[in-house]
Amino acid sequence: NAGVTQTPKFRVLKTGQSMTLLCAQDMNHEYMYWYRQDPGMGLRLIHYSVGEGTTAKGEVPDGYNVSRLKKQNFLLGLESAAPSQTSVYFCASSRHGGPPPYEQYFGPGTRLTVT
Amino acid sequence: GQQVMQIPQYQHVQEGEDFTTYCNSSTTLSNIQWYKQRPGGHPVFLIQLVKSGEVKKQKRLTFQFGEAKKNSSLHITATQTTDVGTYFCAGFYNAGNMLTFGGGTRLMVKP
Repeated sequence: NAGVTQTPKFRVLKTGQSMTLLCAQDMNHEYMYWYRQDPGMGLRLIHYSVGEGTTAKGEVPDGYNVSRLKKQNFLLGLESAAPSQTSVYFCASSRHGGPPPYEQYFGPGTRLTVT
Repeated sequence: GQQVMQIPQYQHVQEGEDFTTYCNSSTTLSNIQWYKQRPGGHPVFLIQLVKSGEVKKQKRLTFQFGEAKKNSSLHITATQTTDVGTYFCAGFYNAGNMLTFGGGTRLMVKP
């Protein structure tokens, strides 16, 4: 099993450009998440999904959109990138139901720079 | 909103010394999880605590959940260079579907 994979690993964008980050998991998990990690600020939740076709806002959703058309994929879109969106983006997934714990499995991250 | 505060932000120790990081929440947690992130890596799950006053051990790591389920700690005995990384606590509140992460404690170990 590959676990959680993210594409791309690195990306440089100019202000105003758009892009989509792809997350895929092969563990049949119901829940998927997108986080951003900035120095000294830990992990902040952008959006999450509790199942195929459903999404919800997290702590810092502004400037991002998401889609979960297939259970195994969770896409994060930036419509008009801003320098404030320079960060490392992590996708994670977790199962729901059955015996705990419901730990989150993280992908390797995407390092995004917006100039 | 709900917040999980974690201290200290950084800690330098000499190899062999002990290390502790603390998490506090202003409201009661349903459970708390701990993750470790190696430099340049991604967070990896360590453990989950659910019960009031719970204590769990993993080799040199001891995890505690407070009686009021508002605080937690991770203690590492006799640190090794392999312990280097950032340790995050993440709290789960009954009202939501998502974890709230603390800011993390970055541990640096001098050999």
